[in-house]
Amino acid sequence: KQEVTQIPAALSVPEGENLVLNCSFTDSAIYNLQWFRQDPGKGLTSLLLIQSSQREQTSGRLNASLDKSSGRSTLYIAASQPGDSATYLCAVVPNAGGTSYGKLTFGQGTILTVHP
Amino acid sequence: DGGITQSPKYLFRKEGQNVTLSCEQNLNHDAMYWYRQDPGQGLRLIYYSQIVNDFQKGDIAEGYSVSREKKESFPLTVTSAQKNPTAFYLCASSIHRGLDTDTQYFGPGTRLTVL
Repeated sequence: KQEVTQIPAALSVPEGENLVLNCSFTDSAIYNLQWFRQDPGKGLTSLLLIQSSQREQTSGRLNASLDKSSGRSTLYIAASQPGDSATYLCAVVPNAGGTSYGKLTFGQGTILTVHP
Repeated sequence: DGGITQSPKYLFRKEGQNVTLSCEQNLNHDAMYWYRQDPGQGLRLIYYSQIVNDFQKGDIAEGYSVSREKKESFPLTVTSAQKNPTAFYLCASSIHRGLDTDTQYFGPGTRLTVL
């Protein structure tokens, strides 16, 4: 059974720092990996989606990498801002030998606080 | 505005009652999903539907039921058989069914509390 783990559980950094959030998954058979942002009491916002054949995706100050063979992904945030404070979740779509119909398996999230 | 709406935002239930959570999307998406989120945890899949009049159980379907009579609507009923229903419930949709590369778009969530 696919399991997704995110480290650290919480992170507090001063504004302007570059930071890395980590995600690992136990089964390398995946269709894609997605990173989401969740503000307190809100729904999820998709940040980046990396297909299994890709190594990385970039959007603005965000860069996500994928190493499928080692079961790892990282989300790099450059020049962090207080507005980046949120919970960041990674999720994979397992490849169960047929289409998995987009069923996401989530990590527990990393709570990021960027202080001025 | 296109998007996913969930109602109500907050819901209180007495023990032994069934309650229904609404999820509506105007994105013309085929697939819809229901997730449950507990404090400090990631999301867990309850039910998903790839097409009207069809739906499948997710990882934690016991105590829940759904229907998909219209493409834009996917209501979730939390029944009295669900022993620990207090949680944050999130609905999502994606553009295609059977394609695993599609991004899922999430609604704002419903917080259910059992009194």
